[in-house]
Amino acid sequence: DTAVSQTPKYLVTQMGNDKSIKCEQNLGHDTMYWYKQDSKKFLKIMFSYNNKELIINETVPNRFSPKSPDKAHLNLHINSLELGDSAVYFCASSQGTDPNTEAFFGQGTRLTVV
Amino acid sequence: GDSVTQMEGPVTLSEEAFLTINCTYTATGYPSLFWYVQYPGEGLQLLLKATKADDKGSNKGFEATYRKETTSFHLEKGSVQVSDSAVYFCARRDNTDKLIFGTGTRLQVFP
Repeated sequence: DTAVSQTPKYLVTQMGNDKSIKCEQNLGHDTMYWYKQDSKKFLKIMFSYNNKELIINETVPNRFSPKSPDKAHLNLHINSLELGDSAVYFCASSQGTDPNTEAFFGQGTRLTVV
Repeated sequence: GDSVTQMEGPVTLSEEAFLTINCTYTATGYPSLFWYVQYPGEGLQLLLKATKADDKGSNKGFEATYRKETTSFHLEKGSVQVSDSAVYFCARRDNTDKLIFGTGTRLQVFP
């Protein structure tokens, strides 16, 4: 079974559209994250949720809205998509906020805005 | 702010060559340090970690030692294989819960 799964794996859409990416983890973790990886492979954290509560919100346009219906899910909704949103988005999870624990990553969602 | 700096790639090696990928960090405290690997078309996987000074993380022939005096966590492998070709990310995590990554270093190993 996949530990952290994201859907869809690929997403091609037009500018101005609204889209969602779903993430689920079956590891029993209570902390989940969204990361954005740009074309140069640079990874930057966007959001972090612990027990369904937002604990990290980096400087991300408010067109991006995460939603955590329960501890096992963290979805990312993006309004009014722009060309610059094209990237690979990774979901991750970890147990608690202990800095000694690693994060487990999903396979990524490649978003292409045309 | 706190950051992670990695050597720029790509690093191109022949099979069985010795690998070093440099990583240094800045931090106000004592972060935990990680190396993640991303194979083509896949997500990130934890390769190894070290949580305190002088700890050595190791996995699949890779090693890295947490050096507080030089704020470094260099990744090494004595004999690389073609299957090691991937992008390697150094990362740090502290009590702010953020996992901060370096820019990644692409390794290409040729037979």
